[in-house]
Amino acid sequence: SQQGEEDPQALSIQEGENATMNCSYKTSINNLQWYRQNSGRGLVHLILIRSNEREKHSGRLRVTLDTSKKSSSLLITASRAADTASYFCATERGDYKLSFGAGTTVTVRA
Amino acid sequence: DGGITQSPKYLFRKEGQNVTLSCEQNLNHDAMYWYRQDPGQGLRLIYYSQIVNDFQKGDIAEGYSVSREKKESFPLTVTSAQKNPTAFYLCASTAAAMTGELFFGEGSRLTVL
Repeated sequence: SQQGEEDPQALSIQEGENATMNCSYKTSINNLQWYRQNSGRGLVHLILIRSNEREKHSGRLRVTLDTSKKSSSLLITASRAADTASYFCATERGDYKLSFGAGTTVTVRA
Repeated sequence: DGGITQSPKYLFRKEGQNVTLSCEQNLNHDAMYWYRQDPGQGLRLIYYSQIVNDFQKGDIAEGYSVSREKKESFPLTVTSAQKNPTAFYLCASTAAAMTGELFFGEGSRLTVL
């Protein structure tokens, strides 16, 4: 069962612009993670935010978590062509299983 | 270099045949996972193992089987009972079950002819 749902499904931006995508989930979580997947490849972990954290940064990435609204956002600043990929949120509910959303496909135009 | 190796990368199978996908890790991780990815549906958990000689069904285990005889290895067999096996299969591992990030292999794409 899918716990997280990303929005939008697809996003096209110009190089240098910021990209924002959102993740909503249904039940209480221990942590929420974001992953990136280049076409035809495995997923790569980007950032983990715990349920008692509200914001986290890693390089050009900024993640927020609002547990009252059961939502998270991922912001990529100053996007580059290499950021073209699909981005997935994943939630861990305490049952040792990560549940992934369907992803947001980001295209960065040169 | 430490990591997860999946093989084969591409596999073609005739209907009615069983196939086994290999997943090996040299990260000394305890927990290993198999996910299936279909277009537009994200990742769905097939099986997971938190320790050697133990594994649990995920959300879509029907038609699949696994074994965990060694810490480094977690092979997945797609049996003829799986009605729609054409998909991208991803293996992952983590140091301890669900306390942190998953490390993924590069995936195996299975096509049933």
